[in-house]
Amino acid sequence: QQKVQQSPESLIVPEGGMASLNCTSSDRNVDYFWWYRQHSGKSPKMLMSIFSNGEKEEGRFTVHLNKASLHTSLHIRDSQPSDSALYLCAASNTGNYKYVFGAGTRLKVIA
Amino acid sequence: ETAVFQTPNYHVTQVGNEVSFNCKQTLGHDTMYWYKQDSKKLLKIMFSYNNKQLIVNETVPRRFSPQSSDKAHLNLRIKSVEPEDSAVYLCASSSGNTLYFGEGSRLIVV
Repeated sequence: QQKVQQSPESLIVPEGGMASLNCTSSDRNVDYFWWYRQHSGKSPKMLMSIFSNGEKEEGRFTVHLNKASLHTSLHIRDSQPSDSALYLCAASNTGNYKYVFGAGTRLKVIA
Repeated sequence: ETAVFQTPNYHVTQVGNEVSFNCKQTLGHDTMYWYKQDSKKLLKIMFSYNNKQLIVNETVPRRFSPQSSDKAHLNLRIKSVEPEDSAVYLCASSSGNTLYFGEGSRLIVV
């Protein structure tokens, strides 16, 4: 059974600080990774995706992927209170239609 | 902007009753999913349909059954609900990449 492990379980950062979240898959066949954000009482929304080794930046958000270690990380710079949410990492194999989610990292940004 | 619609949003029922959740997507995607999110926010895939064909059927109790009339609709029926079925049921659709979730259907079994 494919597992996706996320760390830390929870994270508190000051407003304006950097938040770093980690995710690793135990399935060697995984090709794709996504990061979803879920605000309290809402459904998950895709934040960023990464399919190739390296780094991808979109505004304050940067995602890294190391395919050899099946590890991805999400970094949020200049964190805002509105970034407080549950961050879910998802992984899948090409064409198997099964996206497996980690247990999430609960981020709280305090003013 | 919501493009995956779920009904009902909230349902309270007694143990042993039957419940149905409906889902419709207007994105033109070929693949739809049902996920269960428990009280600890863990998201687990239950079923996936591609063009009305069942393609993913995870180990879920037999009282759960998905139904798809066309690729835009995927419903979930639960016969004889149990207390452990209390959760948020999330419908999603995908064109093979990003998942788009509905707002969820919260089930409370008393």
